[in-house]
Amino acid sequence: QTVVTQEPSFSVSPGGTVTLTCGLTSGSVSSSYYPTWYQQTPGQAPRTLIYNTKTRSSGVPDRFSGSILGNKAALTITGAQADDESDYYCVLYLATGYWVFGGGTKLTVL
Amino acid sequence: QVQLVESGGGVVQPGGSLRLSCAASGFTFSTYGMHWVRQAPGKGLEWTAFIRIDGQNKYYTDSVKGRFTIFRDNSKNTLDLQMNSLRPEDTAIYYCAKDSGSYYRFDYWGQGILVTVSS
Repeated sequence: QTVVTQEPSFSVSPGGTVTLTCGLTSGSVSSSYYPTWYQQTPGQAPRTLIYNTKTRSSGVPDRFSGSILGNKAALTITGAQADDESDYYCVLYLATGYWVFGGGTKLTVL
Repeated sequence: QVQLVESGGGVVQPGGSLRLSCAASGFTFSTYGMHWVRQAPGKGLEWTAFIRIDGQNKYYTDSVKGRFTIFRDNSKNTLDLQMNSLRPEDTAIYYCAKDSGSYYRFDYWGQGILVTVSS
C-alpha cells in the first residue's frame, strides 16, 4: 500500500522561509502525480494553494510556491506570516480514479 | 457562486447504514466529476470516493470498498454517499468536493457533515 508522507509538524519564525515536503514510501513524486497542496484551519474546509505541482490557485499570495525537490513535491512559504499557521496537506493522483492525501503538516509560526 | 451543502449526517450504531447527500449549485453539475473526502476527528484528510460525470464510473479508497456507494442525480444536482456496515473508524466529517475537471484536483468544498459511528 502506497503511503504519502509529510512532516507531522514544522515551525517557522515570522518572516522566515519554510519548505514542506510530500513524498512516497515507495518511489519518487513527479509532476505526473499532479501534486496539489491544501491549507486548512480548524473548523474550516480545505483551501487550494497550489495545484499541478506549481500553479498557484486564484487569490493565493505569491509567498506560496510549489516545486519538485529531489524525489518529493514541495511547498515553500517565503516570508511566513502569523496567519500561515495552519495544517497543510498534499494530495497525489496515483492512478486512474485514485487519490491519496499525505498525513498533513501542522505549521507553527513563532 | 459554487455552493456545496451536505446533509444527512448523525449518529449511527456500528453495523448500521447512513446516506449522505450534497446539494450543488452555481455550476453545471452534470459536467463535473464529484468526490467525497473525509476527516476523522483530529486526523488528516482521506479521499473517499469519486464519481465521473455520467455516474457510471465510480472509484473508492480501499477501506470503504464494498461498503460505500457513491451516486449522483444530474437532474437534481445532487451527490449521495450510501454508507453501509459502518464501523467506528468511519467516524469523520464528510466533505463533498467538486472535481476541477483538470489537473486532478478538488476545487470547491462543502463545509462538511459529521458522521459518528458509536454504540
